[in-house]
Amino acid sequence: DIVMTQSPLSLPVSPGEPASISCRSSQSLLHSNGYNYLDWYVQKAGQSPQLLIYLGSNRASGVPDRFSGSGSGSDFTLKISRVEAEDVGVYYCMQALETLYTFGQGTKLEIK
Amino acid sequence: EVQLVESGGDLVQPGGSLRLSCAASGFTFSTYTMTWFRRAPGKGLEWVSYISASGSTIYYADSVKGRFAISRDNANNVVYLHMNSLRDEDSAVYYCARPIKYSYDFGMDVWGQGTTVTVSS
Repeated sequence: DIVMTQSPLSLPVSPGEPASISCRSSQSLLHSNGYNYLDWYVQKAGQSPQLLIYLGSNRASGVPDRFSGSGSGSDFTLKISRVEAEDVGVYYCMQALETLYTFGQGTKLEIK
Repeated sequence: EVQLVESGGDLVQPGGSLRLSCAASGFTFSTYTMTWFRRAPGKGLEWVSYISASGSTIYYADSVKGRFAISRDNANNVVYLHMNSLRDEDSAVYYCARPIKYSYDFGMDVWGQGTTVTVSS
């Protein structure tokens, strides 16, 4: 199985400040078609998970443009350009290269 | 409106069985792969099982292999998770999810509201 490792696991951020979450995979997520099979999700308290980014850098429909995904191979980053109070939640990366999907441990973003 | 609605969660004793259902609406269900995930209390998201659009390809996480079975009824737009030999560690909120586009296996953009399974004596 592909092991996903996120850091940090806890991320206190002041409103209006940027935030960054790292995700590394135990093997490359770069498919032969040129796409990186890496998704980002957020789960807010009392809600179902929500897709933010797919294929490494594509924002899902309705996701604010302050969210961006980057990276390739086995090293990825989710960036929030200016954190807002509504961004509080647990952020997960998930590899989709193998349909035996695996998630990172989750990064809990909180507002300072 | 595209929607997934799970049901069937309950309190069950260790060793017991449950069947979870996920009813889909608002899209052509028979063309999408479907996946079950779960989140146990105090833990992160975990993939549980996957079924292809036709039902011919199925995968399970090692933690549930041999105990859980996924199936789908494309005529009635429902995916099931049959859970047997339940253990304490299976206690979780279970979610079904659909990928962003038919024939895709990534980008789960539609999730149900979740159904809670509690395994306890």
